Amino acid sequence: DGGITQSPKYLFRKEGQNVTLSCEQNLNHDAMYWYRQDPGQGLRLIYYSQIVNDFQKGDIAEGYSVSREKKESFPLTVTSAQKNPTAFYLCASSTGQLPGELFFGEGSRLTVL
Amino acid sequence: DAKTTQPTSMDCAEGRAANLPCNHSTISGNEYVYWYRQIHSQGPQYIIHGLKNNETNEMASLIITEDRKSSTLILPHATLRDTAVYYCIVRAYSGAGSYQLTFGKGTKLSVIP
Repeated sequence: DGGITQSPKYLFRKEGQNVTLSCEQNLNHDAMYWYRQDPGQGLRLIYYSQIVNDFQKGDIAEGYSVSREKKESFPLTVTSAQKNPTAFYLCASSTGQLPGELFFGEGSRLTVL
Repeated sequence: DAKTTQPTSMDCAEGRAANLPCNHSTISGNEYVYWYRQIHSQGPQYIIHGLKNNETNEMASLIITEDRKSSTLILPHATLRDTAVYYCIVRAYSGAGSYQLTFGKGTKLSVIP
């Protein structure tokens, strides 16, 4: 079935370590997004990409990096520069053709010890 | 993007209609109204969107006032599985990849048996 796969679902890391979260989609969507969610809060946009080899910063890009080498993949690296990395991370994609829907993955919960 | 205001929480009896309000008094003429929901610890799910006219799909109905300053999402027969946080978002469509939607805190809907 088509969809978005995020891995790992849960991740524990020590402070100061870089972490890479995977996001893969088989929906043939052009656009992909990364959001962060803190407990009891809404979603905040980290990065988005409208096309392969191109991406833009969202509202809270500091301390994060991304790449878009393939249409189906949009990995997010949480670097040691991110001051409060513990959060729920959500990846999404869209066709970009109409004002329609974002398709979300199931999320990755990162805990930094 | 126009700002939205939603109640923090609502209760609804199982089997009854759930009516979730959203105020967007500063909405512009080219801004769409989107609704998503998020069940605990999962990725948000698209429900419906509209511009001017009322919309209906298999999940819900969207009623937009004539002046477009507010809208109501209607779940016609709420079930326990509809318990979730519901997000109302307004966003202009400006071309491919323009789905950098801003998710606020939404409304926590609790369906009561």
